[in-house]
Amino acid sequence: EAQVTQNPRYLITVTGKKLTVTCSQNMNHEYMSWYRQDPGLGLRQIYYSMNVEVTDKGDVPEGYKVSRKEKRNFPLILESPSPNQTSLYFCASSPPVASRMANVLTFGAGSRLTVL
Amino acid sequence: EDQVTQSPEALRLQEGESSSLNCSYTVSGLRGLFWYRQDPGKGPEFLFTLYSAGEEKEKERLKATLTKKESFLHITAPKPEDSATYLCAVQADYGQNFVFGPGTRLSVLP
Repeated sequence: EAQVTQNPRYLITVTGKKLTVTCSQNMNHEYMSWYRQDPGLGLRQIYYSMNVEVTDKGDVPEGYKVSRKEKRNFPLILESPSPNQTSLYFCASSPPVASRMANVLTFGAGSRLTVL
Repeated sequence: EDQVTQSPEALRLQEGESSSLNCSYTVSGLRGLFWYRQDPGKGPEFLFTLYSAGEEKEKERLKATLTKKESFLHITAPKPEDSATYLCAVQADYGQNFVFGPGTRLSVLP
């Protein structure tokens, strides 16, 4: 089944304790991105990647890092989490621009993070 | 700055009562406007892409339309299973960023 898989789905952590949220897709998509979703604010893009070793900042990158060493994986790293990073996080991917479904995002199920 | 707003914030309909959701956008050059559906506890699922003013797309009870400033998602004779949050997003022609609206939470009562 074509899908985007995120882990963990739920996480409670404390301020300053480094964590990584993994994201993997099995559709050979080139484009991958991370979003956070907060009530009343909608989905906001954190980082995106056009391909392996190519990443760029979205609208709210502060406090986050990403890497794209393999095409299928795009982990989100919080080096020193703070309470304002408590949110629902989504990873998404989309096929190449030449594809019929270009720019259509396939989302993971979400990771709910709470930072105390 | 690219912006997307959606109205209403929440909408409650009786089964069979048709209505429309609005998505207003500001973008320097539109590559595409996207509609997604999001069920509680799940990631958004793709519904439609619209590329140019005047374009329309249909899927079952849903029909999306696009003008130069806004898009409408028309829901005809909705059923309780249409209850979800509907998200609108735009992608500008100068980059790969997607800007999402806050969504409209639709409840269809039997």
